[in-house]
Amino acid sequence: DTGVSQNPRHKITKRGQNVTFRCDPISEHNRLYWYRQTLGQGPEFLTYFQNEAQLEKSRLLSDRFSAERPKGSFSTLEIQRTEQGDSAMYLCASSLSEVYSGELFFGSGTQLSVL
Amino acid sequence: KQEVTQIPAALSVPEGENLVLNCSFTDSAIYNLQWFRQDPGKGLTSLLLIQSSQREQTSGRLNASLDKSSGRSTLYIAASQPGDSATYLCAVTGLWDKVIFGPGTSLSVIP
Repeated sequence: DTGVSQNPRHKITKRGQNVTFRCDPISEHNRLYWYRQTLGQGPEFLTYFQNEAQLEKSRLLSDRFSAERPKGSFSTLEIQRTEQGDSAMYLCASSLSEVYSGELFFGSGTQLSVL
Repeated sequence: KQEVTQIPAALSVPEGENLVLNCSFTDSAIYNLQWFRQDPGKGLTSLLLIQSSQREQTSGRLNASLDKSSGRSTLYIAASQPGDSATYLCAVTGLWDKVIFGPGTSLSVIP
């Protein structure tokens, strides 16, 4: 297992287009998290999953954002009708939480630029 | 609502100096606290994880402490090196394993 994998690494799109990002977590990890990060800021929580169940979605997210984790494996994050303010690094992380809350492991991120 | 802050926002030190980074959180009901390193344009690399029942963790030149009751953690870096230059982020895991990050401390170690 090579860790958390995110695709694509970079995405350039025009305003108004839809984009989808994929995250493949570490295989045995039951928790999967999505964060958004802009330059000079810490990662901002977007949403997270326990297996296939979405536990919480940030109130900062508009209805243009949706995430899924079918079958509790990989996850996708879709942004519809992109806006320039959506430009950011989108980070995915996973952890194994059983008796103790587990260590969080991150992917390399997807850098989105909306023109 | 959990809020995490980090002080200082930026720090510049000469090589070889020992330094301390600070992290504060408002809700002490946490399961763990994790310190990460982030290089420009990259993802986050986990440095140390402290469970809520622990007081500190050590890895090489790094030592992290946790005082849950006062809502504080420190990351101590001994004998700093230019390769330590990066942004350091702390994150707390709270109820239902929701993980909230601080804004980070940007560290520059001058040769």
